[in-house]
Amino acid sequence: AQKVTQAQTEISVVEKEDVTLDCVYETRDTTYYLFWYKQPPSGELVFLIRRNSFDEQNEISGRYSWNFQKSTSSFNFTITASQVVDSAVYFCALSEAGGGKLIFGQGTELSVKP
Amino acid sequence: DAMVIQNPRYQVTQFGKPVTLSCSQTLNHNVMYWYQQKSSQAPKLLFHYYDKDFNNEADTPDNFQSRRPNTSFCFLDIRSPGLGDAAMYLCATSRGRDRGSQPQHFGDGTRLSIL
Repeated sequence: AQKVTQAQTEISVVEKEDVTLDCVYETRDTTYYLFWYKQPPSGELVFLIRRNSFDEQNEISGRYSWNFQKSTSSFNFTITASQVVDSAVYFCALSEAGGGKLIFGQGTELSVKP
Repeated sequence: DAMVIQNPRYQVTQFGKPVTLSCSQTLNHNVMYWYQQKSSQAPKLLFHYYDKDFNNEADTPDNFQSRRPNTSFCFLDIRSPGLGDAAMYLCATSRGRDRGSQPQHFGDGTRLSIL
């Protein structure tokens, strides 16, 4: 069975701190895809990144970076120099190759205080 | 900008009174999804359409139905809403090819309240 675990329910940091959001997944598939989505208070889910199971290269996009490690089944997300606008719920999700169903983690609520 | 639009943003209905939520897209995507998200929970997939093919999740209550009259529009019908159906309802779209790999694009959601 597929499962995504985000052990951190809530994280609170002060602006400019770095913060890492953890994501651990379970799947028996050899081909799968991992995603991160951001859900600000307004409600819409915003796609941040996709990673496929064959590509363990880490990625950096501005202040955001992602660390994918198959050996530990983890796909962690780091925000460098956090800002108040980063405050949101962040969801990690898993999808198998054949279907389109997203298996979401429970989400991590990030609060960045000025 | 191309996008996924959900109307209304907020919907209030009475217990047992049928309600319809709508979703439209300008992305021309093959696949449209409906998710239910209750407070402080992850989104839960109710069903999706791949073109005209309807795919229901096994645990979606019969009370929930969907229609997709054309590529651009998809509707969620709740036949007899109960208090437990109060939630945010999110519509999403994606390309159909290799859809497991495709990011889903979400609308702003409709927050449904039941009186």
